[in-house]
Amino acid sequence: NAGVMQNPRHLVRRRGQEARLRCSPMKGHSHVYWYRQLPEEGLKFMVYLQKENIIDESGMPKERFSAEFPKEGPSILRIQQVVRGDSAAYFCASSPPQGIDTEAFFGQGTRLTVV
Amino acid sequence: AQSVSQHNHHVILSEAASLELGCNYSYGGTVNLFWYVQYPGQHLQLLLKYFSGDPLVKGIKGFEAEFIKSKFSFNLRKPSVQWSDTAEYFCAVNYYNDYKLSFGAGTTVTVRA
Repeated sequence: NAGVMQNPRHLVRRRGQEARLRCSPMKGHSHVYWYRQLPEEGLKFMVYLQKENIIDESGMPKERFSAEFPKEGPSILRIQQVVRGDSAAYFCASSPPQGIDTEAFFGQGTRLTVV
Repeated sequence: AQSVSQHNHHVILSEAASLELGCNYSYGGTVNLFWYVQYPGQHLQLLLKYFSGDPLVKGIKGFEAEFIKSKFSFNLRKPSVQWSDTAEYFCAVNYYNDYKLSFGAGTTVTVRA
């Protein structure tokens, strides 16, 4: 059973370009979460999605960031017009439908560097 | 909002030494507590979790953690580390039955052979 797959592992973008980060959840998981880890900080929640729905985007920056989880295909975190401050590790996690004892499984992360 | 503090940024140990990593959280209500580990080049992996019951939790690879409610702490321990325990360790907390995790900044553990 493959785990949560994120790609690319490393992404370099020039300022002003777009970054697309992909996350394929574990088989049978319909919930996806994105977290961002800035240098020297812990992971910070960004957004929670279910298939075709954004449930909670309270951690997403108001501009330039968007996320989707279509009916078919991976979840995408999109950052438009990247700036140096977007350089970070972006982690995706997935879980089955919520229950009291639900655990989220994490991917390896995508390390974005903006030059 | 929840905050999670990990006391050490980087710990360096020799093999067979004992390890203890501190974690404190700010919220006084019912919480779920987790320790995750990230080995070099790998995904974040759950070491152990506490939801309720016995406050001494045993996880994988010989790790354990103790939840002390009065101290808002959930410290991770291992009596004898191995070189393969070299990794980054993250403490995380969420409100009971909430999906959002709040993470500490992480502790890098380096075990010297």
